[in-house]
Amino acid sequence: DTEVTQTPKHLVMGMTNKKSLKCEQHMGHRAMYWYKQKAKKPPELMFVYSYEKLSINESVPSRFSPECPNSSLLNLHLHALQPEDSALYLCASSQDPTTKAQYFGPGTRLLVL
Amino acid sequence: GEDVEQSLFLSVREGDSSVINCTYTDSSSTYLYWYKQEPGAGLQLLTYIFSNMDMKQDQRLTVLLNKKDKHLSLRIADTQTGDSAIYFCAESSSSASKIIFGSGTRLSIRP
Repeated sequence: DTEVTQTPKHLVMGMTNKKSLKCEQHMGHRAMYWYKQKAKKPPELMFVYSYEKLSINESVPSRFSPECPNSSLLNLHLHALQPEDSALYLCASSQDPTTKAQYFGPGTRLLVL
Repeated sequence: GEDVEQSLFLSVREGDSSVINCTYTDSSSTYLYWYKQEPGAGLQLLTYIFSNMDMKQDQRLTVLLNKKDKHLSLRIADTQTGDSAIYFCAESSSSASKIIFGSGTRLSIRP
């Protein structure tokens, strides 16, 4: 299994809603990442989890809250988002934080109304 | 700071070779990558090269690295319609946990 899976594929939410994005990998990777990608732009790093601990937060607003329940799962909890948060949210994993090749999931396309 | 630059567009005839170029500024770059993103999809890691290598070949893909000029290229032989996508060049250093992406090159294939 060389896949990173993400659910849901699409999500529409209002500014007062609370929702969660999920990411799963069964490659035994110990580093997992959240990225945000706006249209026609490269991905922007949001968070890095290393051995299930948050190691990097790229000054992301607190309305985004990551969680790593175990080594295979990564969640991104969303609350009180703004329309400008609409984007493709990508999860990635790598063997460990020192192994630089990251494998990406298909993403969740989020629309905030 | 670190920067990775690519041209935005490339149009190639089906069956020809495509060459996508990239330049980077970080002299401590240790790893250089090529990712492919098809419409509505995530990023697919195509290949990567360590900075102590000059070339890497994998089937139709050839990566060339000129470390002196900080120039990386991706050559796709016998370009097919399925190669239409955005190609991102990226780099990272051994001391950093993050990858720096270029802005992406949109490759379109004409018949």
